[in-house]
Amino acid sequence: KAGVTQTPRYLIKTRGQQVTLSCSPISGHRSVSWYQQTPGQGLQFLFEYFSETQRNKGNFPGRFSGRQFSNSRSEMNVSTLELGDSALYLCASSLQTAQRETQYFGPGTRLLVL
Amino acid sequence: KQEVTQIPAALSVPEGENLVLNCSFTDSAIYNLQWFRQDPGKGLTSLLLIQSSQREQTSGRLNASLDKSSGRSTLYIAASQPGDSATYLCAVRPGGGADGLTFGKGTHLIIQP
Repeated sequence: KAGVTQTPRYLIKTRGQQVTLSCSPISGHRSVSWYQQTPGQGLQFLFEYFSETQRNKGNFPGRFSGRQFSNSRSEMNVSTLELGDSALYLCASSLQTAQRETQYFGPGTRLLVL
Repeated sequence: KQEVTQIPAALSVPEGENLVLNCSFTDSAIYNLQWFRQDPGKGLTSLLLIQSSQREQTSGRLNASLDKSSGRSTLYIAASQPGDSATYLCAVRPGGGADGLTFGKGTHLIIQP
């Protein structure tokens, strides 16, 4: 079974631009969570989607948003990019809601904001 | 606010040794705890998931324990191999389970051949 895939793998943007990242979960998985990883802050939770609904959200500004489609694929969008948004963005999928389930992570999208 | 601390931050041991990685968390009201490994340039691989009602989980050479009352978990790696070299991350899901995982900063492990 194919793992979690994320596209693109690498991205360079400039301040003020917006960016959309995509995540395809493992086939049959209905939950997708997003995390940001930086050297200073480590891994931080962004949000989780289950059956096209956002279940919960981390402590990030409104510039960070996401959505999930009927086929469970998810996208996250960051508007008005700042230098501090440079990070590795990871998505994770699980069969049902992420609570009791093992989460399977994708390889991440590395975003560099100049 | 839940905080997760991992000690040591880095560890280098010769191949074949048994080793213990430590994880502590400030709020004992957790839903579950997971251990992950992360290889350079790659995503996370789940190693073990311990529900709050469990004391330990085992997978092959790995054993993870959980002591909720003291806010601690350990990951025991038996007979370490060079392929075990990676960053090991501990993450807790807060009580109620609705929120995302809170991660520690990780232990960077090097197994010398």
